[in-house]
Amino acid sequence: AQKITQTQPGMFVQEKEAVTLDCTYDTSDQSYGLFWYKQPSSGEMIFLIYQGSYDEQNATEGRYSLNFQKARKSANLVISASQLGDSAMYFCAMRERRRGAQKLVFGQGTRLTINP
Amino acid sequence: DTAVSQTPKYLVTQMGNDKSIKCEQNLGHDTMYWYKQDSKKFLKIMFSYNNKELIINETVPNRFSPKSPDKAHLNLHINSLELGDSAVYFCASSQIQGTGNTIYFGEGSWLTVV
Repeated sequence: AQKITQTQPGMFVQEKEAVTLDCTYDTSDQSYGLFWYKQPSSGEMIFLIYQGSYDEQNATEGRYSLNFQKARKSANLVISASQLGDSAMYFCAMRERRRGAQKLVFGQGTRLTINP
Repeated sequence: DTAVSQTPKYLVTQMGNDKSIKCEQNLGHDTMYWYKQDSKKFLKIMFSYNNKELIINETVPNRFSPKSPDKAHLNLHINSLELGDSAVYFCASSQIQGTGNTIYFGEGSWLTVV
């Protein structure tokens, strides 16, 4: 069974600093995908970034980058130059594929608070 | 032009009632999902439909019945609501066939059973 672990229940960071949110995963699949989602206080789930298991380069999307270390089974999210609007819950998730179906398995989430 | 839209956003109802949550996606995706987020913010899949066919049915009580009239719609009907059904329900969609990978979520439906 797949498992996603986010060990940081909460993080507090000063505005404009970079922040790393940890995510480790456990799978026996060779092909898998890793996602990060942001959930602000308004509740919606916002897709941030995706990394495929065969992608050789780390994914980047604007201020977001994914530090993918396959051998260590980690997929940390790095947010550069944090902003007040980055305060939210962040979820790491892994895509599991079985017999033509796919689903996301989520971690417990990390609540990030950006201080002015 | 919301990509994945679900209604209602908020729903307060009494125990024992039957309620439905509707979901529509305009992304042309072939697969739709229902996820449940509990009070501790944990997200877990409930159902998945691919081209109107049920392909994932996690351990969900029979009181929950998804219905997909077409590829763009996936509704969730809940019978005999219980206090423990209070949660946020998210609809999502993705394209399995082809190279698309991203799973997009709706804004969530907050269900409170009193």
